[in-house]
Amino acid sequence: DSGVTQTPKHLITATGQRVTLRCSPRSGDLSVYWYQQSLDQGLQFLIQYYNGEERAKGNILERFSAQQFPDLHSELNLSSLELGDSALYFCASSSGGAGTDTQYFGPGTRLTVL
Amino acid sequence: GQNIDQPTEMTATEGAIVQINCTYQTSGFNGLFWYQQHAGEAPTFLSYNVLDGLEEKGRFSSFLSRSKGYSYLLLKELQMKDSASYLCAVNGLTGGGNKLTFGTGTQLKVEL
Repeated sequence: DSGVTQTPKHLITATGQRVTLRCSPRSGDLSVYWYQQSLDQGLQFLIQYYNGEERAKGNILERFSAQQFPDLHSELNLSSLELGDSALYFCASSSGGAGTDTQYFGPGTRLTVL
Repeated sequence: GQNIDQPTEMTATEGAIVQINCTYQTSGFNGLFWYQQHAGEAPTFLSYNVLDGLEEKGRFSSFLSRSKGYSYLLLKELQMKDSASYLCAVNGLTGGGNKLTFGTGTQLKVEL
């Protein structure tokens, strides 16, 4: 158990809908990261927040957005969902925001878009 | 851009030693990480290298050569539970931030 929690564990929804995934980092960690893992793409970095501010950005679609709240939990919002958005979404956290910090992953949210 | 290559699959025998290679090309380098991932589960941290050389941690060791853009993960005394995907990841950002680029993973199968 990494100490990172994610809810929900599973999510099934329809195309065109909007969902919110939630993540709580390990106690004391200031950075939160979001990743998408699909069978054909591997683990893809989406975005990093550090102490409430966006720190690094990957290939995150415009339909996706994220934020980190004052209590350091984070939410990833996915809208206008498409079949191809079906994937495992992982949240990770680290103590700081630097490139040398180890990221610890949560158990993931499995999103299925029908 | 960044490119990370690792073998897709490997098979080894219980009790043996296996070496999983990773080569990378990045515009910047802030360190290389190895993670283990069982199917449907979260990646778990194994090792981190930022300087050239070997880092040893129990049955697992990781080596880095920055000049060659090369790393390997060495697993000794293989156990059945080591059957998993092993992910090589590089942080290529040089100006703040922590963005890991992952390889597609090496699926290791440990057999009796």
